[in-house]
Amino acid sequence: IAGITQAPTSQILAAGRRMTLRCTQDMRHNAMYWYRQDLGLGLRLIHYSNTAGTTGKGEVPDGYSVSRANTDDFPLTLASAVPSQTSVYFCASSADVGGQGTDTQYFGPGTRLTVL
Amino acid sequence: GQNIDQPTEMTATEGAIVQINCTYQTSGFNGLFWYQQHAGEAPTFLSYNVLDGLEEKGRFSSFLSRSKGYSYLLLKELQMKDSASYLCAVINSNYQLIWGAGTKLIIKP
Repeated sequence: IAGITQAPTSQILAAGRRMTLRCTQDMRHNAMYWYRQDLGLGLRLIHYSNTAGTTGKGEVPDGYSVSRANTDDFPLTLASAVPSQTSVYFCASSADVGGQGTDTQYFGPGTRLTVL
Repeated sequence: GQNIDQPTEMTATEGAIVQINCTYQTSGFNGLFWYQQHAGEAPTFLSYNVLDGLEEKGRFSSFLSRSKGYSYLLLKELQMKDSASYLCAVINSNYQLIWGAGTKLIIKP
């Protein structure tokens, strides 16, 4: 039983490079989320998906894109990385049966990304 | 704007009781979560409150007062493994989850 997995665990990236963070869940959850966590700040939502085939923008979407081709996978892409995108990135999922975002979110182990 | 306020850091002694407060100002309210996050790890679910009152779960309890925009997490019989950050998060009227910055709890022997 894996829950949610993320890859890579950590990455050092040169500014301007393209990078995709992977996220896979095996709980058949409808909703998936990408957050970034920076010291002294709360978790900030980047993008979300309420169900396969749909995505939406969160609080800090600029510079990031997502896709949700199937239920299990929700990759996050940085098209051209900048140093301000240095952060810890968490993927999360929830059953969200009612479609109202009130279900518990379960988090992956995170990806620590450094952009130089 | 929407705001979640929590103390940045608290210190408590092993075996004691500690209360971590959370006040919120959000556009509407549809529930409040508490999560625990150990250093370098992912947040994990602790509790969910949607109605006023106290929810007890073992050594941990969570209280909510919607009229006051206030919640607290109560940890009893503190253990060293309770050293972690505790995150408060509120679901607003648009069903968005708004997160506080978290309270780092340090347990001393």
